[in-house]
Amino acid sequence: EDQVTQSPEALRLQEGESSSLNCSYTVSGLRGLFWYRQDPGKGPEFLFTLYSAGEEKEKERLKATLTKKESFLHITAPKPEDSATYLCAVQGPMFSGGYNKLIFGAGTRLAVHP
Amino acid sequence: NAGVTQTPKFQVLKTGQSMTLQCAQDMNHEYMSWYRQDPGMGLRLIHYSVGAGITDQGEVPNGYNVSRSTTEDFPLRLLSAAPSQTSVYFCASSSYGAEAFFGQGTRLTVV
Repeated sequence: EDQVTQSPEALRLQEGESSSLNCSYTVSGLRGLFWYRQDPGKGPEFLFTLYSAGEEKEKERLKATLTKKESFLHITAPKPEDSATYLCAVQGPMFSGGYNKLIFGAGTRLAVHP
Repeated sequence: NAGVTQTPKFQVLKTGQSMTLQCAQDMNHEYMSWYRQDPGMGLRLIHYSVGAGITDQGEVPNGYNVSRSTTEDFPLRLLSAAPSQTSVYFCASSSYGAEAFFGQGTRLTVV
């Protein structure tokens, strides 16, 4: 069964304390892996897409990496404004009409304290 | 640059009532979809559309209807609300193979 598991469920960091969030997946025929940021009361906001093992993408203090079974979101020297829930999703099997289903993990709630 | 717009932002319904959640996008995307988000669970696909006039069921379609008469609009109808439909609902749009853009969500409570 296609599945996405994110860990940890919650993470508390001090400002400047680097860490990584994990997204492990099982899907038949990965077509893409997406990272989103979600602030309280808001919709998910797109961060990165990764397509193949070994690929890396960076944006400010965030770097996403991909292997054949998991992805990591590395946060370097985080600031309080990085506090949010980070969602991982994989693009899996195609539905009718060419629509690729997105399978989401439950997310990691990150809190960065000054 | 509006992106994906959802209305209303909050709604309280009584069991058995019906309502329509509105969703509009201005990016000319072919694909639109509806998700629900519940605590401790990932976003789950309710219905999706690959173009005007074409809709299909996702993972959790029971109790919901959709239609897509234009490229821009994709309303979600709750036929007879149940407490199990208390959730946060997100509409999303995308182009083929690309990332999805989400609306701000509708928080629905069914009492």
